[in-house]
Amino acid sequence: AQTVTQSQPEMSVQEAETVTLSCTYDTSESDYYLFWYKQPPSRQMILVIRQEAYKQQNATENRFSVNFQKAAKSFSLKISDSQLGDAAMYFCAYRGGSQGNLIFGKGTKLSVKP
Amino acid sequence: NAGVTQTPKFQVLKTGQSMTLQCAQDMNHEYMSWYRQDPGMGLRLIHYSVGAGITDQGEVPNGYNVSRSTTEDFPLRLLSAAPSQTSVYFCASRKEGYYGYTFGSGTRLTVV
Repeated sequence: AQTVTQSQPEMSVQEAETVTLSCTYDTSESDYYLFWYKQPPSRQMILVIRQEAYKQQNATENRFSVNFQKAAKSFSLKISDSQLGDAAMYFCAYRGGSQGNLIFGKGTKLSVKP
Repeated sequence: NAGVTQTPKFQVLKTGQSMTLQCAQDMNHEYMSWYRQDPGMGLRLIHYSVGAGITDQGEVPNGYNVSRSTTEDFPLRLLSAAPSQTSVYFCASRKEGYYGYTFGSGTRLTVV
């Protein structure tokens, strides 16, 4: 069975600085997707960024980028120029390529200090 | 286009009561899922459906029932609520062939 592990329950970053959230996963599938979701206090689940396993290039969305290491099964999220609005719970998630459902890590709570 | 609509947003139940959490989507998505979120546990899959008339169990199905009579609706039923079912519940949907899920805004359920 696939698993997703986030080893950092809490992280803190200074405003305008860069922070990296870690995620590792375990799978025997060759076709899959990886995601980072943001959950602010409003409880809404917001898709931050996604990565298709077959793509070698790391995904980037504005200040958010990933470091996808397929052989190591690692999928970290880098947030550059951190803003107060980035404070939230961040979840790493995996989805198998066929009929896969989302499998979530336990989350990392990110605090941003002014 | 309302996306995924969950009702109610908050609910308090007494132990042993039954209730149905509603989930509706207007995007003609084939895939629909129910997750529960507990502190320190992430989101865990309860039940899912790949189309009308087809449902299957996820990681934590005990105590919950689902049905999918239409493409739009995927209700989650608690037959006899227990304090262990106190949680935040999310419904999500996805179009076949598309990578991502759309989430509802969640239901916070407290069982006393």
